[in-house]
Amino acid sequence: RKEVEQDPGPFNVPEGATVAFNCTYSNSASQSFFWYRQDCRKEPKLLMSVYSSGNEDGRFTAQLNRASQYISLLIRDSKLSDSATYLCVVSRGAGGTSYGKLTFGQGTILTVHP
Amino acid sequence: GAVVSQHPSWVICKSGTSVKIECRSLDFQATTMFWYRQFPKQSLMLMATSNEGSKATYEQGVEKDKFLINHASLTLSTLTVTSAHPEDSSFYICSASGQGGGRYYNEQFFGPGTRLTVL
Repeated sequence: RKEVEQDPGPFNVPEGATVAFNCTYSNSASQSFFWYRQDCRKEPKLLMSVYSSGNEDGRFTAQLNRASQYISLLIRDSKLSDSATYLCVVSRGAGGTSYGKLTFGQGTILTVHP
Repeated sequence: GAVVSQHPSWVICKSGTSVKIECRSLDFQATTMFWYRQFPKQSLMLMATSNEGSKATYEQGVEKDKFLINHASLTLSTLTVTSAHPEDSSFYICSASGQGGGRYYNEQFFGPGTRLTVL
């Protein structure tokens, strides 16, 4: 079983749609959780950290359920520029990624069309 | 945020040659650098973690004699793929974390990656 599993998609949605991505992780010792975005042939970029209380950044909302070992990302009012691969990332380090290696999910491909 | 550069951005080489990839932190001191590899349509896989002045720690299944990592300074780490073969063709990405300007960077900052093609 992979340590971090995501629905690979692809998700094809029209502009303005709401789309949700799910992710599960297997290691209960994981302490830090993130969503990264990766554009084609580019490096991943941090989208947002994920906290147990849930957090929101503009059109993006992330949720963490430690009991179920489940992470989600919700994108509202999708834009064409949101088209990318979204990576669920988990770390055993506390408080930041520098204290522990990052384990990446395989990514979920999102395509937003006009 | 902090900036990490990689050089070269792409390289094509013949089988059996060695290729060196550089990873530099431009505006902070990278006490820890990570090297990842990403095959097409797959996710990033950590190859090794290096702390400045120490030997790198390799992930299971990664040959340390084939992928030589040097992190001799706080701003530079190098990955050398020795005797490269076509199966080593991949996207190699480094990341770095550390401190600069009186601030500790809790996040890993990724370089733009190096696309290696071995013929």
